[in-house]
Amino acid sequence: EAGVAQSPRYKIIEKRQSVAFWCNPISGHATLYWYQQILGQGPKLLIQFQNNGVVDDSQLPKDRFSAERLKGVDSTLKIQPAKLEDSAVYLCASSSSRDTGELFFGEGSRLTVL
Amino acid sequence: DQQVKQNSPSLSVQEGRISILNCDYTNSMFDYFLWYKKYPAEGPTFLISISSIKDKNEDGRFTVFLNKSAKHLSLHIVPSQPGDSAVYFCAASNRGGGADGLTFGKGTHLIIQP
Repeated sequence: EAGVAQSPRYKIIEKRQSVAFWCNPISGHATLYWYQQILGQGPKLLIQFQNNGVVDDSQLPKDRFSAERLKGVDSTLKIQPAKLEDSAVYLCASSSSRDTGELFFGEGSRLTVL
Repeated sequence: DQQVKQNSPSLSVQEGRISILNCDYTNSMFDYFLWYKKYPAEGPTFLISISSIKDKNEDGRFTVFLNKSAKHLSLHIVPSQPGDSAVYFCAASNRGGGADGLTFGKGTHLIIQP
């Protein structure tokens, strides 16, 4: 079974530029999450989708971050304009049902904002 | 406000001995707890979980203990092996409240010495 796929693995941009990250979850997983992990911290939930609907985006900085999950499969997270403090690893995760509670993570996309 | 706390940034244990990683939480609505393991440049991988209706869950060398009254959980690894060297994250969710997204601690870097 293929895992959660993310791209790009690494991205370097200057502040005020824009960037987009892509995630393809495990086939059949209805729930998709985007997390932000700043160096030395634990992952922080940005947004959670159930199919193509948003379940929780309370911690998403909506003035600069946006995410969509069209057709309920893959998802895109965008940052525009980027700030220095957005430097982090952006992790995508998916899960199949609430019975297990386990999230499966991708390898992450490391963003450096200069 | 950190709802999940791992107060030991690092822990060094000799190979073959027991490793004990600790985690405290403040949100009494949390009802499901998980441990994730993370190697450098990889996404977190699920290790073991426990529901709030239990106080112990075992899986091979890994055991998680939950003390609800103290809002404390711990992960025991016996015996510790070199491949166990990684960062361990404690995570919690309020599944009963419909909030599947995990809240993570900052992690503990476990180092197994030969």
